[in-house]
Amino acid sequence: LAKTTQPISMDSYEGQEVNITCSHNNIATNDYITWYQQFPSQGPRFIIQGYKTKVTNEVASLFIPADRKSSTLSLPRVSLSDTAVYYCLVGPGGATNKLIFGTGTLLAVQP
Amino acid sequence: EAGVTQFPSHSVIEKGQTVTLRCDPISGHDNLYWYRRVMGKEIKFLLHFVKESKQDESGMPNNRFLAERTGGTYSTLKVQPAELEDSGVYFCASSQALGQEKETQYFGPGTRLLVL
Repeated sequence: LAKTTQPISMDSYEGQEVNITCSHNNIATNDYITWYQQFPSQGPRFIIQGYKTKVTNEVASLFIPADRKSSTLSLPRVSLSDTAVYYCLVGPGGATNKLIFGTGTLLAVQP
Repeated sequence: EAGVTQFPSHSVIEKGQTVTLRCDPISGHDNLYWYRRVMGKEIKFLLHFVKESKQDESGMPNNRFLAERTGGTYSTLKVQPAELEDSGVYFCASSQALGQEKETQYFGPGTRLLVL
């Protein structure tokens, strides 16, 4: 399963766009890229998933370059409530569905 | 629609005692997963049920841990006897049937276990 590398922490201010980049140099052909968010005292929550190019939903956008060796989670106009740990996960679909969590990125949004 | 629920939310026990954690997945979800995070470490996979069958239990740390999912609905994770290093947060997650490109796992709030 592909290993991921992401910054340990990031700071931002309310209203700014935040981009969190994740490296996954040994991503496999059948691997998907998934981002989860976790608030204190809660379980992780799915944010977005993609395979290639760009994916956008009501919460975030996910940018994946052609070589798929990295991905960037983009959060538009963050608020204080977006302060959380964000995990980048890479893994195949199908029978192997366990999630491999890394250390995640602690995003701290300040007023 | 109710989410994944876990019981208890917290448990404090002494070393050597037994603790049973329960997870109720989202109704209709065939896949059920157990994960845990011990202090200062990353969230680690423990095992995966498909309905009542264990699909993957490669993450179970040792034979003091026993997971069951009788009837393919709720699941229990029993630790017997508990050791100090078992302290941590135990998460349960569920998802719909396999075969989809990469199903979303929905996590419960976790059970915080402290072994003294």
